[in-house]
Amino acid sequence: DIQMTQSPSSLSASVGDRVTITCRASQSISSYLNWYQQKPGKAPNLLIYAASYLQSGVPSRFSGSGSGTDFTLTITSLQPEDFATYFCQQSSSTPITFGPGTRLEIK
Amino acid sequence: QVQLQESGPGLVKPSETLSLTCTVSGGSMNNYYWSWIRQPPGKGLEWIGDIYYSGSTKYNPSLKSRITILVDTSKNQFSLKLSSVTAAETAVYYCARRWWELLSGVDAFDIWGRGTMVTVSS
Repeated sequence: DIQMTQSPSSLSASVGDRVTITCRASQSISSYLNWYQQKPGKAPNLLIYAASYLQSGVPSRFSGSGSGTDFTLTITSLQPEDFATYFCQQSSSTPITFGPGTRLEIK
Repeated sequence: QVQLQESGPGLVKPSETLSLTCTVSGGSMNNYYWSWIRQPPGKGLEWIGDIYYSGSTKYNPSLKSRITILVDTSKNQFSLKLSSVTAAETAVYYCARRWWELLSGVDAFDIWGRGTMVTVSS
């Protein structure tokens, strides 16, 4: 199985800040990497697919980059609604696996 | 727009079979994979398996011996059966649409149900 790790596991930031979350795969996954946002009691919501493509309807302050084993999710100018947990997920090989999540909290 | 809704018992006894159904509304099931994903309380996400609208399946090897996923396109539904459950499988179970396009490299869960909490307890 491909193991996904994320750093940091939690992060405190303020409205207006720029934040970066890192995801690393245990082996190369090309660009088969997706990012999701999850708010408490809600289902995950797809933000970025194929490492760098913004899902329809997602604000442009979200962006993704990377390929191979190292990926980043960047949020510029944090908004109050962005405080949530973020997961990365690989779809390069079965089983599909998710990262453990990064909890973004208000400072 | 396409919406998914999970349904099924919220309480299952240990060693019994968990059965859930996902109803797809607002669109066709054709040309997509349909997936089950679970999340224990306060923990991360685990992919359980997928079924293509035509019936072919992909299962998580760690669960493969206990999983059955079926599709009924005439009812716009797909289902999950997980046998011999334990308390550790208490989780929110989500159904999701897996958006896959070979040429573009897209392979992501783009639409999710709201999830249903299943507790395994006697």
